[in-house]
Amino acid sequence: GAVVSQHPSWVICKSGTSVKIECRSLDFQATTMFWYRQFPKQSLMLMATSNEGSKATYEQGVEKDKFLINHASLTLSTLTVTSAHPEDSSFYICSAEPGTGALEQYFGPGTRLTVT
Amino acid sequence: AQSVTQLDSQVPVFEEAPVELRCNYSSSVSVYLFWYVQYPNQGLQLLLKYLSGSTLVESINGFEAEFNKSQTSFHLRKPSVHISDTAEYFCAVSSQGGSEKLVFGKGTKLTVNP
Repeated sequence: GAVVSQHPSWVICKSGTSVKIECRSLDFQATTMFWYRQFPKQSLMLMATSNEGSKATYEQGVEKDKFLINHASLTLSTLTVTSAHPEDSSFYICSAEPGTGALEQYFGPGTRLTVT
Repeated sequence: AQSVTQLDSQVPVFEEAPVELRCNYSSSVSVYLFWYVQYPNQGLQLLLKYLSGSTLVESINGFEAEFNKSQTSFHLRKPSVHISDTAEYFCAVSSQGGSEKLVFGKGTKLTVNP
């Protein structure tokens, strides 16, 4: 089946620094990638939708300048958390859609971010 | 806008017992419906989906879900569960004719005990 990887799987950073998370579709080309955030015992909340070669579309309430998304190729999207603060600590999950019309997203295993 | 409610945050059952995980949704437009499963330390995997046609959809590992438009529900069922079914289950919706954005419920932790 289609595989999506995320790197790193977990990261600890100091407050004020930036962290980059990579999302890769390993065996298919993803026309669209999605970034979600999940708090403990909460649902996945969509942060933004990105299409290769164009600007990401952010959900209401998500700070564009804080969560920078780049979808440079059909197999790679990155999320950079800039000037991270403890309240940004969360589980970040990406998904990728091959664009076959099957309306199926393939999810990465997630990245646990802890900001100290 | 859509919303999804999974009423049960945790469902413990014994092996070989039947199980139902409840999902209700709210939407002003027609929707597509999905169930995703997340095994420990793994990413979400699509379990089954309803796009159109028969309201009863099945997965390859014995789960089924029925779309009930009048009750705005998409409950997940399995007649006999296995230990290996222990996982977190998420119900999700997306709007027909709109973007592919998924709106998720909070998830139901299914624990199958021997």
